[in-house]
Amino acid sequence: GAVVSQHPSWVICKSGTSVKIECRSLDFQATTMFWYRQFPKQSLMLMATSNEGSKATYEQGVEKDKFLINHASLTLSTLTVTSAHPEDSSFYICSAARLVEMYAGELFFGEGSRLTVL
Amino acid sequence: ELKVEQNPLFLSMQEGKNYTIYCNYSTTSDRLYWYRQDPGKSLESLFVLLSNGAVKQEGRLMASLDTKARLSTLHITAAVHDLSATYFCAVQETSGSRLTFGEGTQLTVNP
Repeated sequence: GAVVSQHPSWVICKSGTSVKIECRSLDFQATTMFWYRQFPKQSLMLMATSNEGSKATYEQGVEKDKFLINHASLTLSTLTVTSAHPEDSSFYICSAARLVEMYAGELFFGEGSRLTVL
Repeated sequence: ELKVEQNPLFLSMQEGKNYTIYCNYSTTSDRLYWYRQDPGKSLESLFVLLSNGAVKQEGRLMASLDTKARLSTLHITAAVHDLSATYFCAVQETSGSRLTFGEGTQLTVNP
């Protein structure tokens, strides 16, 4: 199956600093990537849809200036949590869409990145 | 807005027993996924169901899809401890690739 890699898998930072998380599709081109956030004991919540070469589409309630998404190439999307605070501590998971048919693609998930903000 | 509901949310069962997890969704959809998540880990894909009446089986797990009822089931047969995990269903909207997840079912299989 296709591989999606996230980096780092685990990060601890001080409050007020920024953290960048990378999501790479290793063996396929992904025109669309998705960023999810998961709090303990909860489901995955979609934060934003990242499209290569264009601005990301954010879900309602997600601050685009706080969660900066860049999808500069067909294999890389980055999520930057700016001025992180303890409430941003969460498990962040990306997924990448491989276009198999016309309108929808199978999704592959990264390993996740656990962010802890002190 | 697409809503996906799972039932039950928590499930504790004995080894060797059978049980079914239900996933209801609110609008028409092309695809339904089942995932497994172990603590601290990302998602592991279990099944992709593409059409009405689809049934897939892998080991002790079997998934089915009824698009008319907007219902999918994940049936566990003769549970073993290794199946303990959280199981998510997710529905893919017809208009694109985004997934909407159910709340998850935390399964504990006791020896």
